[in-house]
Amino acid sequence: EPEVTQTPSHQVTQMGQEVILRCVPISNHLYFYWYRQILGQKVEFLVSFYNNEISEKSEIFDDQFSVERPDGSNFTLKIRSTKLEDSAMYFCARGTSVYGYTFGSGTRLTVV
Amino acid sequence: SQQGEEDPQALSIQEGENATMNCSYKTSINNLQWYRQNSGRGLVHLILIRSNEREKHSGRLRVTLDTSKKSSSLLITASRAADTASYFCATDADRDDKIIFGKGTRLHILP
Repeated sequence: EPEVTQTPSHQVTQMGQEVILRCVPISNHLYFYWYRQILGQKVEFLVSFYNNEISEKSEIFDDQFSVERPDGSNFTLKIRSTKLEDSAMYFCARGTSVYGYTFGSGTRLTVV
Repeated sequence: SQQGEEDPQALSIQEGENATMNCSYKTSINNLQWYRQNSGRGLVHLILIRSNEREKHSGRLRVTLDTSKKSSSLLITASRAADTASYFCATDADRDDKIIFGKGTRLHILP
């Protein structure tokens, strides 16, 4: 299977700006996830997306966050108004807990 | 919380030695997975063990699962410099496709 690719690999943004993180390819899969990892800390679950709908979200995933599948092959995470504490590595993943996940290489988001 | 907790937090061993990392969790699970993360990089799926399995092998990796103790171990035999990384266990839960990661073990292989 093709690897999961995330773009951009690194993004620097001003506090308060909107960012969109992208994940491809996702065609022929139903389950997708976003996780984040603040530097030096554990990997935290943000949201799971099944059959074009959010199936579960964590407390971290507040109104500033949204996910979309704008077409058949992209999966995006949008942060509407970034805060300093949003600085982290963001990983998308596809798969299921039954068979395991394939993670993308991550996007390092730096909010300044 | 059902999250796994790895032990030790950090481990340094000589190249060629075996490395053992442990993971404990709190609630019943369907599966337990181990992932590797090289510094600043993505997560690589290593191995998945189901709740009805006790041991699984993949190359130099050996994973055990003891559901009565809610614990798992990852053994890397004949360690190499390239094994230097952080290792995470991740658990799921019934009717739940998300997985929850532990804090990880930082493994450093000394030349």
